[in-house]
Amino acid sequence: DAKTTQPPSMDCAEGRAANLPCNHSTISGNEYVYWYRQIHSQGPQYIIHGLKNNETNEMASLIITEDRKSSTLILPHATLRDTAVYYCIVRVERGSNYQLIWGAGTKLIIKP
Amino acid sequence: DGGITQSPKYLFRKEGQNVTLSCEQNLNHDAMYWYRQDPGQGLRLIYYSQIVNDFQKGDIAEGYSVSREKKESFPLTVTSAQKNPTAFYLCASKWGAHTDTQYFGPGTRLTVL
Repeated sequence: DAKTTQPPSMDCAEGRAANLPCNHSTISGNEYVYWYRQIHSQGPQYIIHGLKNNETNEMASLIITEDRKSSTLILPHATLRDTAVYYCIVRVERGSNYQLIWGAGTKLIIKP
Repeated sequence: DGGITQSPKYLFRKEGQNVTLSCEQNLNHDAMYWYRQDPGQGLRLIYYSQIVNDFQKGDIAEGYSVSREKKESFPLTVTSAQKNPTAFYLCASKWGAHTDTQYFGPGTRLTVL
């Protein structure tokens, strides 16, 4: 079962910041939050991940609340090419390995 | 160019036939994964392999089989025992045990008629 809850869809105007929320209220202390995105009928693409601290890279920023029960992915200046399904994922420990548990994602539509 | 290739992009088979999906990577990654994706849903793990000649079942392994004879290759066979095989199949790989930055192939869309 997915460990994350996301809104099924969101719109954002081109050039604005897109803020995608994710709830992971049952996350454990050593479980990371990962974000991937999938453009229609292609393989998913890694965006960013974090454990406790906020993270930033060339694609996005990840803000994780202090209690770690939710996070927000921020695309600072959304473009039309950012239209995709965005998945918030928890990495869980399974025996000696780790596994990504995928939810249904948020379909983000960037409008001109 | 380095990357993961899956072939073919689209595959059609008759019900009751086994079919093998190809996945090749030249990234020198140790771990490889197979996922299934149904419309409007996230990915579900079928099988994964951390090293050559070793693989583990994921959450939905029934009706599927894999092999890992070479580091670069991780083919998936969809057998006739799989009750609902029509889906989008994605292969991924990653380097090392302490990251889950997985690199995905373009996927194979399998339709069983």
